Amino acid sequence: DGGITQSPKYLFRKEGQNVTLSCEQNLNHDAMYWYRQDPGQGLRLIYYSQIVNDFQKGDIAEGYSVSREKKESFPLTVTSAQKNPTAFYLCASSTSFRNTEAFFGQGTRLTVV
Amino acid sequence: AQTVTQSQPEMSVQEAETVTLSCTYDTSESDYYLFWYKQPPSRQMILVIRQEAYKQQNATENRFSVNFQKAAKSFSLKISDSQLGDAAMYFCAWRYNFNKFYFGSGTKLNVKP
Repeated sequence: DGGITQSPKYLFRKEGQNVTLSCEQNLNHDAMYWYRQDPGQGLRLIYYSQIVNDFQKGDIAEGYSVSREKKESFPLTVTSAQKNPTAFYLCASSTSFRNTEAFFGQGTRLTVV
Repeated sequence: AQTVTQSQPEMSVQEAETVTLSCTYDTSESDYYLFWYKQPPSRQMILVIRQEAYKQQNATENRFSVNFQKAAKSFSLKISDSQLGDAAMYFCAWRYNFNKFYFGSGTKLNVKP
């Protein structure tokens, strides 16, 4: 079945450590996105990529980094520079056609202690 | 800046009744697409309905319909014959090119038996 897989579902890290969240899609979508979800704030865009080896900062990119070496994969690294990393992270993908929706993974809940 | 506003943080509806969730957006673009997503307690984002801005006819999907007022930049979601399974967070989203989706802050819908 086609879809987007995020792993792991739950992640715990100590403060000051970098952590990488995985996102893989087999939908052959060109565009991929990372969103952060906090209570009462909806989905905020961290980074997005339109094509392999290219990505753009979203609204809250500070303290995060990404790579897009393969069309199927768009991992997100939460660095120690991110001041409040505990959140729910959602990965999404879409085609390049404007009338198509974003397809989402199941999300990763990151807790930094 | 493009913004999407959902002014109702939480709403309640009696089972089998009808409820309307509000969404407004701000853009200078004329050709764009609007979406409503549902996020149940599992936190998986599910597309409910989409609307193309150049179409005057309001979109419908079974019990879900929209009231799209382009001049007022309003895109409300009507749920008819509400069911317990409709209880979820609902997010309004907007897209005008293939780069980004902009999301509102969400409305939590409670369905009372």
